[in-house]
Amino acid sequence: DIQMTQSPSSLPASLGDRVTITCRASQDIGNYLRWFQQKPGKSPRLMIYGATNLAAGVPSRFSGSRSGSDYSLTINSLESEDMAIYYCLQHNEYPLTFGSGTKLEIK
Amino acid sequence: EVQLQESGPGLVKPSQSLSLTCSVTGYSITSNYWGWIRKFPGNKMEWMGYISYSGSTSYNPSLKSRISITRDTSKNQFFLQLNSVTTEDTATYYCARQYYFDYWGQGVMVTVSS
Repeated sequence: DIQMTQSPSSLPASLGDRVTITCRASQDIGNYLRWFQQKPGKSPRLMIYGATNLAAGVPSRFSGSRSGSDYSLTINSLESEDMAIYYCLQHNEYPLTFGSGTKLEIK
Repeated sequence: EVQLQESGPGLVKPSQSLSLTCSVTGYSITSNYWGWIRKFPGNKMEWMGYISYSGSTSYNPSLKSRISITRDTSKNQFFLQLNSVTTEDTATYYCARQYYFDYWGQGVMVTVSS
């Protein structure tokens, strides 16, 4: 199985900060990487697809990037509504695998 | 608008089977792929498997022969059955439109306990 190593597991940040979450793939997954946001009691929301493409309705302060096997989600100018758990998902190879999640919280 | 809704018992006894239904509106399940994903206490997420537009299936090998995903196209529903459950199957179960993962159900929490 492809391992997705996600870091950090917890990210305290202040409103207005720029934050970055990273997933490292254990094998080549191309750009078959998605990012999700999940708030308590809600289902996951697609934020980024194809590693770098913003999903419909997602604010432009979110962006995705790739450097080799490292995939990053960056949030510019953090807002209170961004506090959530973020997951990456590789869908290049079965079984699909998720990162372990990053809990973004207010410092 | 595409909507998915999971339903099923919230409590299952160990060694029994877990059965969930995902009802889809606004989109035919005879198009695309439809998956089941679960989230364990502690936030780990696991992809369980999918059923395709043609009825073919693919499962996570970690679930071995315990899992079955089927469908009823006349009702636009697909189903999850997980056999021989243990307490480790306690999780929130989600259905989703797979590949895109743009539409998800609200999730159903299932506890395995005697």
